[in-house]
Amino acid sequence: GENVEQHPSTLSVQEGDSAVIKCTYSDSASNYFPWYKQELGKGPQLIIDIRSNVGEKKDQRIAVTLNKTAKHFSLHITETQPEDSAVYFCAASFTGANSKLTFGKGITLSVRP
Amino acid sequence: NAGVTQTPKFQVLKTGQSMTLQCAQDMNHEYMSWYRQDPGMGLRLIHYSVGAGITDQGEVPNGYNVSRSTTEDFPLRLLSAAPSQTSVYFCASSTRRRTETQYFGPGTRLLVL
Repeated sequence: GENVEQHPSTLSVQEGDSAVIKCTYSDSASNYFPWYKQELGKGPQLIIDIRSNVGEKKDQRIAVTLNKTAKHFSLHITETQPEDSAVYFCAASFTGANSKLTFGKGITLSVRP
Repeated sequence: NAGVTQTPKFQVLKTGQSMTLQCAQDMNHEYMSWYRQDPGMGLRLIHYSVGAGITDQGEVPNGYNVSRSTTEDFPLRLLSAAPSQTSVYFCASSTRRRTETQYFGPGTRLLVL
């Protein structure tokens, strides 16, 4: 089955700096890669996703890049703000009847004011 | 819309007790699932349903039962609670399958003594 790994497990950045969170996956059939943000005491919420037919996607201060050859994808957050502090999960899945959305273990991002 | 709702928010059980975690969604989503979140383990799929009357096992189904009698509700039953089931439980729903945006509930924190 699919195995998704996130690196690093914790990340601390200064407010205003950029943060990059990397994930690797094992199943070359995976073609859907979402990122979820979980604030303290809440459920995860989708912030951006990318499908295998594109290499990059942007939404304001966040972007995701995908390298299918190397089987890794990354979340980029620019001009970080204290409200970006949260746990971020990456996940991978493929389109199909038996598809499974496999999550990474999560990374805790702390933005220092 | 209320989105995905879960009750209770917090529960303490004794080993061997049974209980039902409630999940409901008002978005007419076909796909619903249950995850558990443990420190350092990410989100692990317990059971899922692709529509009313259809359920299937996920990654960690042992000790849990589910049913899906209506599109809106997807309860999770703990048959005989064990300390290993101490966790935070999240219910999620999506329009069709796992390659669509998953909408998570606020979670139920369960402590088994």
